[in-house]
Amino acid sequence: EAGVTQFPSHSVIEKGQTVTLRCDPISGHDNLYWYRRVMGKEIKFLLHFVKESKQDESGMPNNRFLAERTGGTYSTLKVQPAELEDSGVYFCASSHGEGRFGELFFGEGSRLTVL
Amino acid sequence: GENVGLHLPTLSVQEGDNSIINCAYSNSASDYFIWYKQESGKGPQFIIDIRSNMDKRQGQRVTVLLNKTVKHLSLQIAATQPGDSAVYFCAENTKGGSEKLVFGKGTKLTVNP
Repeated sequence: EAGVTQFPSHSVIEKGQTVTLRCDPISGHDNLYWYRRVMGKEIKFLLHFVKESKQDESGMPNNRFLAERTGGTYSTLKVQPAELEDSGVYFCASSHGEGRFGELFFGEGSRLTVL
Repeated sequence: GENVGLHLPTLSVQEGDNSIINCAYSNSASDYFIWYKQESGKGPQFIIDIRSNMDKRQGQRVTVLLNKTVKHLSLQIAATQPGDSAVYFCAENTKGGSEKLVFGKGTKLTVNP
């Protein structure tokens, strides 16, 4: 069974440009999360989808970030326009519908570098 | 927890020794805790979890201890191996809140052969 996959693994863009990160969760997992780790600090929550619905987006830093999960399968996270402080590693994670005690499986992350 | 800058706490041990990694969590209402291991270039990997109605839980070579009085969590790794070298994160979740995890700063474990 394939794990959580993320694309691209690394993206280098100029400040002001747009980047779209993609996450394919484990098949059948209703819960999909986005987290990010900025400059070696702690991993911080961005948002949580249950199927195609946003369950919690309290961690989204500002309106330059837009997450979608059309059809409840893969998800995209768009940053537009990117700023220097957006650099970091963006992790996607998924779990099946056992609520907060279900094991969370993380992808390998998409490293974003904004120059 | 608070940010203390860019430098992770580090722990260096000899192969075969036991390792203890500590974590102070922030929310006294948290009732579910998880330890994750993150190797270079990879995503966090689940190691072990514990609910607040327990104070100790054991897995294979790992033990998690929870002290709710002082809001402290620890991960003990027995007979540490070079493959255990990674950054270890604790994470907490709060009953009645969302399903998001709040991660600690992480500790970098280096195992010397």
